[in-house]
Amino acid sequence: DIVMTQSPDSLAVSLGERATINCKSSQSVLSSSNNKNYLAWYQQKPGQPPKVLIYWASTRDSGVPDRFSGSGSGTDFTLTISSLQAEDVAVYYCQQYYSTPVTFGGGTKVEIK
Amino acid sequence: EVQLVQSGAELKKPGSTVKISCKVSGYTFTDYYIHWVQQAPGKGLEWMGLFDPGDGETIYAENFQGRVTLTADASIDTAYMDLTSLRSDDTAMYFCARGKRMGPTLNYFDFWGQGTLVTVSS
Repeated sequence: DIVMTQSPDSLAVSLGERATINCKSSQSVLSSSNNKNYLAWYQQKPGQPPKVLIYWASTRDSGVPDRFSGSGSGTDFTLTISSLQAEDVAVYYCQQYYSTPVTFGGGTKVEIK
Repeated sequence: EVQLVQSGAELKKPGSTVKISCKVSGYTFTDYYIHWVQQAPGKGLEWMGLFDPGDGETIYAENFQGRVTLTADASIDTAYMDLTSLRSDDTAMYFCARGKRMGPTLNYFDFWGQGTLVTVSS
């Protein structure tokens, strides 16, 4: 199984400041056949299902604000919120869909400082 | 509009079985896998398995193998998750989610159901 390790577990950021979440996979999720990283980021607010923000490591889903960006390749990935807004308070998860079992990181809770 | 609508909350006794439904609309049922994800209270996301409505194939996570069965009724665009031998640590929110079929590979989960809370208590 591919283990996904997120850091930090939680972070508090001032409004308008940058938030950075890291995700490391225990093996590469980069496909040699299509050069795509099978890595997604989800946002989950209390009482709601997760919502995809980023897929293929760096493609923003439709309607997702451009303050959210994803980067990285192979085993190391980052989700960046360039200017934190109040509505971004949530738990963020990375996910690999390179192989079954699909696995998620443990989550990072983002709060306002 | 794509929707995945799950059945309502369940209260179950230890040792019993729960069946959760996930009715989809707004897309062709057979074009997407249906995945099931468990989230215990205050915890993270754990993938349970997938069902392929195109050919009925199932893949189960090892942690749930033997206790979970994924099925579907394509005539009513509905997927089901049965979880047997329930115990207290099965108390959780259960989500269905869809991921586009792309040949032999998987895809990210682009739409999710609202979740079904299962409480296991004597």
